[in-house]
Amino acid sequence: AQSVTQLDSQVPVFEEAPVELRCNYSSSVSVYLFWYVQYPNQGLQLLLKYLSGSTLVKGINGFEAEFNKSQTSFHLRKPSVHISDTAEYFCAVRKSRDNYGQNFVFGPGTRLSVLP
Amino acid sequence: DAGVIQSPRHEVTEMGQEVTLRCKPISGHNSLFWYRQTMMRGLELLIYFNNNVPIDDSGMPEDRFSAKMPNASFSTLKIQPSEPRDSAVYFCASSLGVGRSYGYTFGSGTRLTVV
Repeated sequence: AQSVTQLDSQVPVFEEAPVELRCNYSSSVSVYLFWYVQYPNQGLQLLLKYLSGSTLVKGINGFEAEFNKSQTSFHLRKPSVHISDTAEYFCAVRKSRDNYGQNFVFGPGTRLSVLP
Repeated sequence: DAGVIQSPRHEVTEMGQEVTLRCKPISGHNSLFWYRQTMMRGLELLIYFNNNVPIDDSGMPEDRFSAKMPNASFSTLKIQPSEPRDSAVYFCASSLGVGRSYGYTFGSGTRLTVV
């Protein structure tokens, strides 16, 4: 079975500073990797996903993530954050060969707080 | 497309009452998922459907919980009788079932408070 670890439950950062949100996963099979963002009182929105190919994936709102197979990591980065990036961020994995059982495994989430 | 639509947005009910949460998936999506989110347990998958058929309901906490998907455009999650520990945000999500590379599209959730 897959599992996802997000080591930081909360990350405070000042506006315009860079940020990295860490995600590590474990799986015995190949997986697809996703980052979702949840703004206060809203549902989850897809930020970006890694399926194959280039290990550096760019998403919406200036976010990017890098897949590192040897370290089983998929860390999310942004070079300069805005107040509006304050939200909960979830890393998720999905087995790449899983057709019928399609559910994701979500990490516990990291709360990013951008301070003025 | 209006996205995944959930109703109601907020529900406050008394313990012992029946609660019904509703979800309209994105047209053309043939997989539907119900999640529950709490501070203590994070996001938990309760049940998911593929082509209106329940595939895995192992996440449904108790017999008090039931879910149906009578057609491709509508699903309900029912709790009867409700208890205070059921208080949570319940999300519905849909996905194109074929094509494992697709992510989910989530609704805005229903915040349930059982007093």
